[in-house]
Amino acid sequence: EPEVTQTPSHQVTQMGQEVILRCVPISNHLYFYWYRQILGQKVEFLVSFYNNEISEKSEIFDDQFSVERPDGSNFTLKIRSTKLEDSAMYFCASRRTGWRSGGSGNTIYFGEGSWLTVV
Amino acid sequence: AQRVTQPEKLLSVFKGAPVELKCNYSYSGSPELFWYVQYSRQRLQLLLRHISRESIKGFTADLNKGETSFHLKKPFAQEEDSAMYYCALPISSGSARQLTFGSGTQLTVLP
Repeated sequence: EPEVTQTPSHQVTQMGQEVILRCVPISNHLYFYWYRQILGQKVEFLVSFYNNEISEKSEIFDDQFSVERPDGSNFTLKIRSTKLEDSAMYFCASRRTGWRSGGSGNTIYFGEGSWLTVV
Repeated sequence: AQRVTQPEKLLSVFKGAPVELKCNYSYSGSPELFWYVQYSRQRLQLLLRHISRESIKGFTADLNKGETSFHLKKPFAQEEDSAMYYCALPISSGSARQLTFGSGTQLTVLP
């Protein structure tokens, strides 16, 4: 079964450095997402992306964050000038189709996550 | 506001006992709810969607619009069911509608 893949699985970075987290969504999926999960807390939505532009972003997703789909397969999350509080697991996710009530393509599939530690 | 609430952070049951993980939601309109499971720091995996009315790994969940609940149930828990369970609800409008997750319930099935 195709899966969302993410790299790196774990990254340690110094505060103030830039980090790029990479994702390869499932190949025929059109909608892409980033979520994060701070240790011991709930999974939080960061951003959705469709048709090469951001569809929606949460208040967490400020100017420090950016997303890009540089080619036909990768979907990246860039965090500029990382802070200690950015330490979290970052999940990439994708969905095959646009939301349609009751639609079979509504399921969002998640990658295994990239664990970011900012020191 | 549209949200899901999972009132129990931790739940322990013995193997073979019934288990119910609670989820309540707040949503205007007809919700479409999901349960995701996360085993030991692995990816979030879809367990079931209410719209498909299926039973996965012996789990079922019924949408109760009167009580605004979507509790997850299994009649006989197994040790391999120990995991983090998240209830999720799609929010916002538009085709990219993302999921919002409850805070999760850590289920431990004791031998």
